Amino acid sequence: ETGVTQTPRHLVMGMTNKKSLKCEQHLGHNAMYWYKQSAKKPLELMFVYSLEERVENNSVPSRFSPECPNSSHLFLHLHTLQPEDSALYLCASSQDKGYPYGYTFGSGTRLTVV
Amino acid sequence: AQSVTQLDSQVPVFEEAPVELRCNYSSSVSVYLFWYVQYPNQGLQLLLKYLSGSTLVKGINGFEAEFNKSQTSFHLRKPSVHISDTAEYFCAVGSSGNTPLVFGKGTRLSVIA
Repeated sequence: ETGVTQTPRHLVMGMTNKKSLKCEQHLGHNAMYWYKQSAKKPLELMFVYSLEERVENNSVPSRFSPECPNSSHLFLHLHTLQPEDSALYLCASSQDKGYPYGYTFGSGTRLTVV
Repeated sequence: AQSVTQLDSQVPVFEEAPVELRCNYSSSVSVYLFWYVQYPNQGLQLLLKYLSGSTLVKGINGFEAEFNKSQTSFHLRKPSVHISDTAEYFCAVGSSGNTPLVFGKGTRLSVIA
């Protein structure tokens, strides 16, 4: 139990499907993050939520839609994805943007778009 | 703005040999530094962190790192690696301001039997 739980662990979806990734943290943190990790590319920060407000959106296509209903839950809604969106999607949480304890990561959702 | 450079994308090393994974950062403010490890199909796990004080930081699994302010480096070392250390290692830098951590591109450590 890492304290940050992501479901599902694996997801295969067609380009016309709609699906959602879920992240739940049990650590009492007040910030949550979505990262994309593609093969042979660096970690890409997608979204940052602090106190349930989106504070950062790094030019992510609108086919990715985040939702943070409360400080413990974070979702990533997916629709009409492209094959290049296949990647490992990581959720993380922290207290106060990571100072001084850093982030706690979930195990990720391996997404394959066919 | 902060940045992190991990100069080596891949480091192969024989079992029981020492290893050093290099990390350099740039920042205009005081920083705190992290090393994370990622095993296949897993998330990132914290290895160690530097906040202040002693420049030599010890972490889990026998790893340690040394903060060198003059060289803006935070290299990760282990005196004797095991097969189980095969993983991707990420260096990250942050500050006490309101900005997210900045991660390096990662170094893939491959331990050879």
